[in-house]
Amino acid sequence: AQSVTQLDSQVPVFEEAPVELRCNYSSSVSVYLFWYVQYPNQGLQLLLKYLSGSTLVKGINGFEAEFNKSQTSFHLRKPSVHISDTAEYFCAVSAGQAGTALIFGKGTTLSVSS
Amino acid sequence: DAGITQSPRYKITETGRQVTLMCHQTWSHSYMFWYRQDLGHGLRLIYYSAAADITDKGEVPDGYVVSRSKTENFPLTLESATRSQTSVYFCASGGTSHSGANVLTFGAGSRLTVL
Repeated sequence: AQSVTQLDSQVPVFEEAPVELRCNYSSSVSVYLFWYVQYPNQGLQLLLKYLSGSTLVKGINGFEAEFNKSQTSFHLRKPSVHISDTAEYFCAVSAGQAGTALIFGKGTTLSVSS
Repeated sequence: DAGITQSPRYKITETGRQVTLMCHQTWSHSYMFWYRQDLGHGLRLIYYSAAADITDKGEVPDGYVVSRSKTENFPLTLESATRSQTSVYFCASGGTSHSGANVLTFGAGSRLTVL
């Protein structure tokens, strides 16, 4: 079975500062990894995904994440955040097999202030 | 309109009543999922379906029933609602990529309050 741990429940940062949201996973098989973003009172939107290939994955809104198999991590980064990045961010994992469900972490609240 | 829609968006009910949350997708995705979102727990999988007439339990299935008679619909029923089922419910559908991964698209959510 897979599991996901998001190491920080809340991350406050100032506008234009860099940010890293940490995600570790546990799995005995190969995995697919995802980051989703949820703005207030909305559904989840896919930010980026790692399925195979390059371990550095670029997503929407200037975010990127790096898959580190040895560290079993998939940390999300952005070099300069904006107020509009304030949201809940979810890391998710699924087993590397067709059709398996996503298992989500508990989420990290990113709060960007001026 | 193409997409995934959930209804109702907001529902207040009383303990013991039956409630059905609807989910409809227009992409003909094989896979559909129901998650609940609670503070401190993130999203937890309730049930999922690989195709019409094929469903399976997730992490927290107790108290819920699903059906999938048509590919595009995946209703979630609370047969006798309890206060612990107060939550935000998200439906998602997934197309399978060439690598086999389910890349999910989520509905806007249904906020259920059980009094």
